[in-house]
Amino acid sequence: GENVEQHPSTLSVQEGDSAVIKCTYSDSASNYFPWYKQELGKGPQLIIDIRSNVGEKKDQRIAVTLNKTAKHFSLHITETQPEDSAVYFCAASILFITDSWGKLQFGAGTQVVVTP
Amino acid sequence: DVKVTQSSRYLVKRTGEKVFLECVQDMDHENMFWYRQDPGLGLRLIYFSYDVKMKEKGDIPEGYSVSREKKERFSLILESASTNQTSMYLCASSNRQGVLYEQYFGPGTRLTVT
Repeated sequence: GENVEQHPSTLSVQEGDSAVIKCTYSDSASNYFPWYKQELGKGPQLIIDIRSNVGEKKDQRIAVTLNKTAKHFSLHITETQPEDSAVYFCAASILFITDSWGKLQFGAGTQVVVTP
Repeated sequence: DVKVTQSSRYLVKRTGEKVFLECVQDMDHENMFWYRQDPGLGLRLIYFSYDVKMKEKGDIPEGYSVSREKKERFSLILESASTNQTSMYLCASSNRQGVLYEQYFGPGTRLTVT
């Protein structure tokens, strides 16, 4: 089955700096890669996702890049703010047109701490 | 505002007890999921359901069962709780139609088995 590895496990950044989290996946058939953010005391929430037919996607201060050949994808957060402090999870999935169960394989998570 | 609710935020049970964790979603989603979250292991899928009375095993189903009698409700059952089932349990739901794969999570239930 699919295996997703995520690094680093913890990341401390100064406010205003950039943060990068990297994930690798094992199954070359995976074609959907979402990122979830979990704030303290809450469930994870989708912040951005990317399909395998796209190399990069941006949404304001966050961006995700995908390298299908190397089987890795990354989350980039620019101009970090204290509210970016959270646990971030990457995930991978194989999605078919006829099967939208959306079963995800998650990475272990990255605790991001943004210090003022 | 979409919502997934879980019956308890914190639960303490004794070894051997039967434990029920309840999850309700108000989005009319077909898919529902149960995960457990442990430090360093991320979210691991226990069971999921894609329709009423339908269920599929996830990656770690041993020691658990599920029930989905109504579309909006998905229950996780620990038949005989053990200490290694102490964990955070997260419920999620998603839409089966179209191309929207976002999973919406509840706030979680922290279960302690003593």
